[in-house]
Amino acid sequence: DTAVSQTPKYLVTQMGNDKSIKCEQNLGHDTMYWYKQDSKKFLKIMFSYNNKELIINETVPNRFSPKSPDKAHLNLHINSLELGDSAVYFCASSHGGRGFYEQYFGPGTRLTVT
Amino acid sequence: KNQVEQSPQSLIILEGKNCTLQCNYTVSPFSNLRWYKQDTGRGPVSLTIMTFSENTKSNGRYTATLDADTKQSSLHITASQLSDSASYICVVSATYNQGGKLIFGQGTELSVKP
Repeated sequence: DTAVSQTPKYLVTQMGNDKSIKCEQNLGHDTMYWYKQDSKKFLKIMFSYNNKELIINETVPNRFSPKSPDKAHLNLHINSLELGDSAVYFCASSHGGRGFYEQYFGPGTRLTVT
Repeated sequence: KNQVEQSPQSLIILEGKNCTLQCNYTVSPFSNLRWYKQDTGRGPVSLTIMTFSENTKSNGRYTATLDADTKQSSLHITASQLSDSASYICVVSATYNQGGKLIFGQGTELSVKP
């Protein structure tokens, strides 16, 4: 009965590879997010999708491409991985995308690029 | 620049004691302020959400206060327990025409010792 789930939990890969992280929510929310938590523990928004439509796209390299096949899923594909991409990536979901409602976070995916 | 600053960066207290964490923010347009608890290796979990008209909100042993005039918030933890050891993150929501965005502080690392 997990609310927001992510796979994989850990991802170790080499520079230059392409990888994907998957996210699914079963809360019936219409908005989903990707966040990056760096080594200093700051969480920063990367993307936000509302009803499969991109509504927030922060200054993120275009090597990162989110894809939302339906309201319950938001996947993150990363091309040509770099050392600086190493971080913990969190998926989240909420009702509505205007920042009024509670956001529920997944357990995170720890990405290590070697 | 939208910023959320927290103090102290880290705190060690004995089990059963109380503590107060601080948060200052410069975020506009302000929508609401949240406190999250993040256990090691987990995603953040919401403790409280307050709009500008709310001065205080409680969730069990957690009590948050908000002064929208001075742009300050605090989180008071009463009768601390070992399970309170975690990172506590102050988050301010900014709402734009195109959607809402959460601005995260760097967190206060709380360690409760027996």
